[in-house]
Amino acid sequence: DGGITQSPKYLFRKEGQNVTLSCEQNLNHDAMYWYRQDPGQGLRLIYYSQIVNDFQKGDIAEGYSVSREKKESFPLTVTSAQKNPTAFYLCASSNRERTSGSYEQYFGPGTRLTVT
Amino acid sequence: GQNIDQPTEMTATEGAIVQINCTYQTSGFNGLFWYQQHAGEAPTFLSYNVLDGLEEKGRFSSFLSRSKGYSYLLLKELQMKDSASYLCASLGGYNKLIFGAGTRLAVHP
Repeated sequence: DGGITQSPKYLFRKEGQNVTLSCEQNLNHDAMYWYRQDPGQGLRLIYYSQIVNDFQKGDIAEGYSVSREKKESFPLTVTSAQKNPTAFYLCASSNRERTSGSYEQYFGPGTRLTVT
Repeated sequence: GQNIDQPTEMTATEGAIVQINCTYQTSGFNGLFWYQQHAGEAPTFLSYNVLDGLEEKGRFSSFLSRSKGYSYLLLKELQMKDSASYLCASLGGYNKLIFGAGTRLAVHP
């Protein structure tokens, strides 16, 4: 089945440690995105990538880093510089649908990161 | 600036109709998405509007007015499983989505 996988679903880390969240898609999508969601809030864009080996900062990129070495993979590293890392992290991918012109983003199941 | 507004919470009765409004002010507008998100889960796609008018898809319909910067999601024949958050999102340049904070809908028997 095609889709987006994120692992693990729950992740616990000590303050001061870097942690990398994985995101893999087999939808053959060019674009991939990372969002952060805090309780009772909408999604905020951290980083996005339109093609392999290229990525841009979103609205809240400070304290995060990404890489896009393969089309299928877009890992996110939460560094110790991120002041409030505890959140629900969602990865998404998209491609333009030729028939409808829709840029629908498909989401992975998310990783809930808790840093203490 | 970029801003999307939608009500924080709504309640409705099973079997009824509910309309969730969304107003937006964004640059480089390329369409308006609605997503459904159950607690602790990923958002799932409901609808996409790029032209003015109403798009109907089963029990759910979505409306867009580009001149007014306004959209709504209409849910008919409400079921208990429709209790969720509904996210309005504007599509801008580089396929970037700007999300509203979401509307938490509670459906009661």
